[in-house]
Amino acid sequence: AQSVTQPDIHITVSEGASLELRCNYSYGATPYLFWYVQSPGQGLQLLLKYFSGDTLVQGIKGFEAEFKRSQSSFNLRKPSVHWSDAAEYFCAVAPPGGGSYIPTFGRGTSLIVHP
Amino acid sequence: KAGVTQTPRYLIKTRGQQVTLSCSPISGHRSVSWYQQTPGQGLQFLFEYFSETQRNKGNFPGRFSGRQFSNSRSEMNVSTLELGDSALYLCASSVPTGDNEQFFGPGTRLTVL
Repeated sequence: AQSVTQPDIHITVSEGASLELRCNYSYGATPYLFWYVQSPGQGLQLLLKYFSGDTLVQGIKGFEAEFKRSQSSFNLRKPSVHWSDAAEYFCAVAPPGGGSYIPTFGRGTSLIVHP
Repeated sequence: KAGVTQTPRYLIKTRGQQVTLSCSPISGHRSVSWYQQTPGQGLQFLFEYFSETQRNKGNFPGRFSGRQFSNSRSEMNVSTLELGDSALYLCASSVPTGDNEQFFGPGTRLTVL
């Protein structure tokens, strides 16, 4: 079975600083990988996803993520954080190929942005 | 295209009561999944419905049930509510033959007193 670990429960950054949120997964092959963001009181919104090909994936809101097979990681990055980026971020993993499976979500990382 | 809608957005119940939550998926999406989100347990998968059939099920007691209608709308029911059922219940729809990207609704905040 697949699993996802987000080692950081909270991360605090200053506005304008760079950001990296960590995600490690456990799966026998290369899975489908996702990053979602959740603003307070809202549902989850997809930031980006990786299936295959270029290991650097661009997403919405200026986010990107890099898949590293050797480290089983899919870390999310942003070069300059805005106050509106304060939210909960979830990494998710799913078996490749689509179909009748459910993604497994990490516990989430709460991003706090200081002015 | 309209997103996933959930009703009601907020609900307050007392222990022992039952509750029904509703989810309307994105048009054309035939898979609907339900999740429970709490600060202590994070995002936990409840069940998934596809073509009116439960296709996947998480590790929740039988008090949690659901169904899906022919128009893909889904409902979940929780009977004999407990304090620990207080949570944000999220519904997500997807095109099951694709990459299974989940599109989430805003959730229903259930408070059990």
